[in-house]
Amino acid sequence: SQKIEQNSEALNIQEGKTATLTCNYTNYSPAYLQWYRQDPGRGPVFLLLIRENEKEKRKERLKVTFDTTLKQSLFHITASQPADSATYLCALAFRAGNNRKLIWGLGTSLAVNP
Amino acid sequence: KAGVTQTPRYLIKTRGQQVTLSCSPISGHRSVSWYQQTPGQGLQFLFEYFSETQRNKGNFPGRFSGRQFSNSRSEMNVSTLELGDSALYLCASSLKETQYFGPGTRLLVL
Repeated sequence: SQKIEQNSEALNIQEGKTATLTCNYTNYSPAYLQWYRQDPGRGPVFLLLIRENEKEKRKERLKVTFDTTLKQSLFHITASQPADSATYLCALAFRAGNNRKLIWGLGTSLAVNP
Repeated sequence: KAGVTQTPRYLIKTRGQQVTLSCSPISGHRSVSWYQQTPGQGLQFLFEYFSETQRNKGNFPGRFSGRQFSNSRSEMNVSTLELGDSALYLCASSLKETQYFGPGTRLLVL
């Protein structure tokens, strides 16, 4: 069956450490993968996009990797801060015939403790 | 540019009623997508409109419908509401791959 999974449990880390979130998928032909941040009561906010032929992308303290062999993306936040506390969602765009569809993970809740 | 706006922000309805939610995309964005978000199911895709045409549709019953106007504003309608329709309904507009979400409409069905 086709599915996309993120760390099922909430992640608690100490300020200053690196947070690593996981997004795994099965049986999709990926086009690209995106990471979004969602705060309570708000819509998701786009963070990074990585394409199938890219291994790594960086933006300030954020880094995303994409391994299409392992069918996995890792999302890293370095030097984490309490303000990074939020739910992080991954979204995979895949090819379905002549169309392209997007499927979302359930999200991982991150808490950065001061 | 102003962001995506959604109205109303909160709504309480009873079973059997119908509801219409509205979304105004970012100026210049022609694609509007609608999602239902619940704690157990996450973000579930409802439909996408582009230039007033439905381009993609998720696996929701026919009670869920939508439309897009010539100014790219979009509405979604849910008829014969059920308790399970209680959720956060999110609208997102896009130019290319990135989606820009509105704050959502929180719908509670009693």
